[in-house]
Amino acid sequence: SQQGEEDPQALSIQEGENATMNCSYKTSINNLQWYRQNSGRGLVHLILIRSNEREKHSGRLRVTLDTSKKSSSLLITASRAADTASYFCATKGNQFYFGTGTSLTVIP
Amino acid sequence: NAGVTQTPKFQVLKTGQSMTLQCAQDMNHNSMYWYRQDPGMGLRLIYYSASEGTTDKGEVPNGYNVSRLNKREFSLRLESAAPSQTSVYFCASSENRYGYTFGSGTRLTVV
Repeated sequence: SQQGEEDPQALSIQEGENATMNCSYKTSINNLQWYRQNSGRGLVHLILIRSNEREKHSGRLRVTLDTSKKSSSLLITASRAADTASYFCATKGNQFYFGTGTSLTVIP
Repeated sequence: NAGVTQTPKFQVLKTGQSMTLQCAQDMNHNSMYWYRQDPGMGLRLIYYSASEGTTDKGEVPNGYNVSRLNKREFSLRLESAAPSQTSVYFCASSENRYGYTFGSGTRLTVV
C-alpha cells in the first residue's frame, strides 16, 4: 500500500498543551496535505506542503516535511477542546493516498 | 453554501439490492472522487474522474461503477450490494495542486 501511516494512532492531551502527530509514507510525492475529521463528518483540508518546502505555518498549525525520511509532522499549538478530531495525512503522487489517522482528544 | 453535496446521508440495503449514491459540487472543479472509509483502514479510493467524460479505477473498485454525468455530478453505483460494502462513503472534488473538498458522507449498511 502507498498509504501514509500516522503515529500515534491516538493522542490525549490537556487543553493548552501542544499536540504533535507524525506521518510516514512510502513513495515520492508532489505534495502532502493534512486533514481534520470531526466525528460523523467529512474531512476538512487544513494545510498543504509541497515537496520542495520544509516547513509551513497556518495559525496554530505547523507542518514540517522531510522528503529524505519520507515523513511529515503536524504540530497544533495551544490546543483547545474544539481541536478534538481525527487527523489524516494525504500524500499526492500519481494519486492521493490517505493515512489511517490519529485520533486526538483534548481534555478541557 | 459552496461545497460538495452527497445524498443520501444514511441507507440500509439488503444483500443483492442496488443503489446509486449521488454527489454534486458547485465549485467548478475538474476532478471528483469516491472514497470509502472503514475503521482502521483510512480512506481508500474507489473511483475517480480527472475531468468530465473520464473515469478511472482507484484502489478498491470491485463491486462499484461510476458515472460522471457532467462537470458537477459524479455518481457511485452498487449493482448488487454485499455486506463487505458496509462503510461510510465520501465524495470529494478538487482542482490540481490544491486540497480536496469533501462531502459529509453516506453511511451505508448492507444486511
